[in-house]
Amino acid sequence: AQSVTQLDSQVPVFEEAPVELRCNYSSSVSVYLFWYVQYPNQGLQLLLKYLSGSTLVKGINGFEAEFNKSQTSFHLRKPSVHISDTAEYFCAVSESGAGSYQLTFGKGTKLSVIP
Amino acid sequence: DSGVTQTPKHLITATGQRVTLRCSPRSGDLSVYWYQQSLDQGLQFLIQYYNGEERAKGNILERFSAQQFPDLHSELNLSSLELGDSALYFCASSVDGNSPGYTFGSGTRLTVV
Repeated sequence: AQSVTQLDSQVPVFEEAPVELRCNYSSSVSVYLFWYVQYPNQGLQLLLKYLSGSTLVKGINGFEAEFNKSQTSFHLRKPSVHISDTAEYFCAVSESGAGSYQLTFGKGTKLSVIP
Repeated sequence: DSGVTQTPKHLITATGQRVTLRCSPRSGDLSVYWYQQSLDQGLQFLIQYYNGEERAKGNILERFSAQQFPDLHSELNLSSLELGDSALYFCASSVDGNSPGYTFGSGTRLTVV
């Protein structure tokens, strides 16, 4: 079984400051990793995903994440946030090669960008 | 617009009732996933269908059932509803069910009163 821990439930940050949202996972097998964003009253939008290859993954809206296998982490970063980045961010994991790519999600991190 | 269409967007119903949530996947996608997002449990995988067949089952209650029709749309049926079933129900689709990461719809918000 897999699990995902998002270490911060809320992260306030000033506009144009950098931000890091932390995610750790637990799995006994190889995994794929994802970050999704949910804006208020909207669905989930895929920000980026790690399947294989380079451990630094670039996504949409200037976000990037780094896969660290030894630390079982997949932290999300952005060098300079905007007001429009205010949303809830979810880290998710699925087993690679499982045949069904069901996702196990973390509890989410609410990012609040302060003007 | 993600291309995954869920109807209705909002639903209010009483305890003990039965409701049906509908999902139309993106054009060309054969696989449909259902997820529940609640304050207590967060986002949980319920069930996956691929081309009309059930492929995987998650934390889906026996009172809940789903199916995928020949035109590939899917329905999630929730019966004997309880207050705790109030949640946002998401549908997602992917091309073949073998692709990690998929596209979510905007969800159906179910309120049980």
